[in-house]
Amino acid sequence: GNSVTQMEGPVTLSEEAFLTINCTYTATGYPSLFWYVQYPGEGLQLLLKATKADDKGSNKGFEATYRKETTSFHLEKGSVQVSDSAVYFCALISDKLIFGTGTRLQVFP
Amino acid sequence: NAGVTQTPKFQVLKTGQSMTLQCAQDMNHNSMYWYRQDPGMGLRLIYYSASEGTTDKGEVPNGYNVSRLNKREFSLRLESAAPSQTSVYFCASSRTGEYDQPQHFGDGTRLSIL
Repeated sequence: GNSVTQMEGPVTLSEEAFLTINCTYTATGYPSLFWYVQYPGEGLQLLLKATKADDKGSNKGFEATYRKETTSFHLEKGSVQVSDSAVYFCALISDKLIFGTGTRLQVFP
Repeated sequence: NAGVTQTPKFQVLKTGQSMTLQCAQDMNHNSMYWYRQDPGMGLRLIYYSASEGTTDKGEVPNGYNVSRLNKREFSLRLESAAPSQTSVYFCASSRTGEYDQPQHFGDGTRLSIL
């Protein structure tokens, strides 16, 4: 069946550091891929998406490229801020939305 | 800019009690969903409603029932609460159930079963 695997957290970084959160997927067909972010005490918000191979989703300085050959959709940001501290979820949708287990990011000043 | 509104935000129940979690969206979306979020397990789909008048089981439907009251509202009912149902529950909606449509989430209901 379809599944999403994310790196375990927490990921702890200093402000302005480079961020990578790994995400790989298993799916039949050509799913759309998403990154959602959950700030403390809130629901999930869509951060970015990509709907086909080689698409790059981007938003708020975050980027992720849909790599079909490696079945990956890694999230990157060049310079993180304290306000980026949150839990990040990778997800795919084919017949339904399937989430990874989430990766907590903690950014310190 | 309400989006998806869930009530209540917090609830404590005793084992065996029943309750209904309410969800409403004001974005004229066709599809609505209920998830539960547990530590280390991400979000798991309980039930969904692809359109008004239809409901379908998700990954973990046992112990729950749902009602799509109208296009705006989708409620989740626990008939006889169990401690295993202690979780954070999220309602979401999307314009359609199509593959590229993002889901919009409410802020969650934190439910504890004693």
